[in-house]
Amino acid sequence: AQSVAQPEDQVNVAEGNPLTVKCTYSVSGNPYLFWYVQYPNRGLQFLLKYITGDNLVKGSYGFEAEFNKSQTSFHLKKPSALVSDSALYFCAVRDTRSSNTGKLIFGQGTTLQVKP
Amino acid sequence: DAGVIQSPRHEVTEMGQEVTLRCKPISGHDYLFWYRQTMMRGLELLIYFNNNVPIDDSGMPEDRFSAKMPNASFSTLKIQPSEPRDSAVYFCASSYSDRLTDTQYFGPGTRLTVL
Repeated sequence: AQSVAQPEDQVNVAEGNPLTVKCTYSVSGNPYLFWYVQYPNRGLQFLLKYITGDNLVKGSYGFEAEFNKSQTSFHLKKPSALVSDSALYFCAVRDTRSSNTGKLIFGQGTTLQVKP
Repeated sequence: DAGVIQSPRHEVTEMGQEVTLRCKPISGHDYLFWYRQTMMRGLELLIYFNNNVPIDDSGMPEDRFSAKMPNASFSTLKIQPSEPRDSAVYFCASSYSDRLTDTQYFGPGTRLTVL
């Protein structure tokens, strides 16, 4: 079955410390992986994606994600967290069950809380 | 580009009333998605269109929900009659069917409250 799991409902980190938001996936075929962020009372904003190539993907706002095929993971990272990074983060994978659907499968979301 | 546009941003209605949510996708995008977000169920895909044609409506909760896309620049999600349990934030998203992108861009959402 195609799925995405975000094992942590909430991640707490102090400002200035590195952060990691975890994501694992299960998909047949090559995975196309995405991270989105949702600030309060806003829509989801695209952060970054992995399609192919370098396993370390750099995205918006200083975020990056590491694709690990053997562990089927795509963890979101940032070297130094900001209070303004506090938001809800979603991992997603392209649904490959049908060709060219454009459909994404989203995880349940992880709330990131950065404390000053 | 203005991004995905949704209206209204907030809607408060009474149980039994008809509610219509509107979406204008990004120009040139050929996929359009309707999502619902609640605390209990998270982000749910309701229905999506490709080139104005509904492809998968398996996420539509019941017959009270219907969606249309009469042209490439407009879609509606209608609830008739509305019920309190329909209270949620409804998002529209669009994307372009390039196998190397598939990035969905979301609108700001419509917060629906059914009293």
